[in-house]
Amino acid sequence: DTAVSQTPKYLVTQMGNDKSIKCEQNLGHDTMYWYKQDSKKFLKIMFSYNNKELIINETVPNRFSPKSPDKAHLNLHINSLELGDSAVYFCASSQRKRGGPGELFFGEGSRLTVL
Amino acid sequence: EDQVTQSPEALRLQEGESSSLNCSYTVSGLRGLFWYRQDPGKGPEFLFTLYSAGEEKEKERLKATLTKKESFLHITAPKPEDSATYLCAVSPGGGNKLTFGTGTQLKVEL
Repeated sequence: DTAVSQTPKYLVTQMGNDKSIKCEQNLGHDTMYWYKQDSKKFLKIMFSYNNKELIINETVPNRFSPKSPDKAHLNLHINSLELGDSAVYFCASSQRKRGGPGELFFGEGSRLTVL
Repeated sequence: EDQVTQSPEALRLQEGESSSLNCSYTVSGLRGLFWYRQDPGKGPEFLFTLYSAGEEKEKERLKATLTKKESFLHITAPKPEDSATYLCAVSPGGGNKLTFGTGTQLKVEL
């Protein structure tokens, strides 16, 4: 049983197109995240949802729109894709503890290539 | 602003050659320091959480330690299967995110 699963694993698309990535977790966690990993392997947070409520929205272009229909699912829709959006997008989940996010558990990643 | 710096960027070891990876951090009110392992084409895999200076955690050939300014990941008698990128992350006080370092790419050769 995969704990955090995201689909698709690979996306290849043209500039200007729109694409979506879906994520599901079966760990019963209350918080989910989207992280972006660039070509230098640096992981940077984009968004976080706690019980379906958006609690972190870093400096991300508004072409990126997350949606959490319930606390087990978090989707990411990207409009008008640009070359610089090419990266690996990771979904993660955690159960908050000690006033912090707790341990994050990551999906396998979705590699987006914009041509 | 929270900062995490990992060194070295890359490390090549012979099998059995012990070494340490460093993670220096600047954060307001540390809630936790986390170590992850990432294999190529995979998501980061959780290894350890350390909450306070002086704390240590061990798992197989890995041992993580924490001071007020840095953390070390000690690898004892590494094997080729320990080859991966090791990521350090911090959780600041009152925050709900992990801030990651850029990682140390470890290669263990026979």
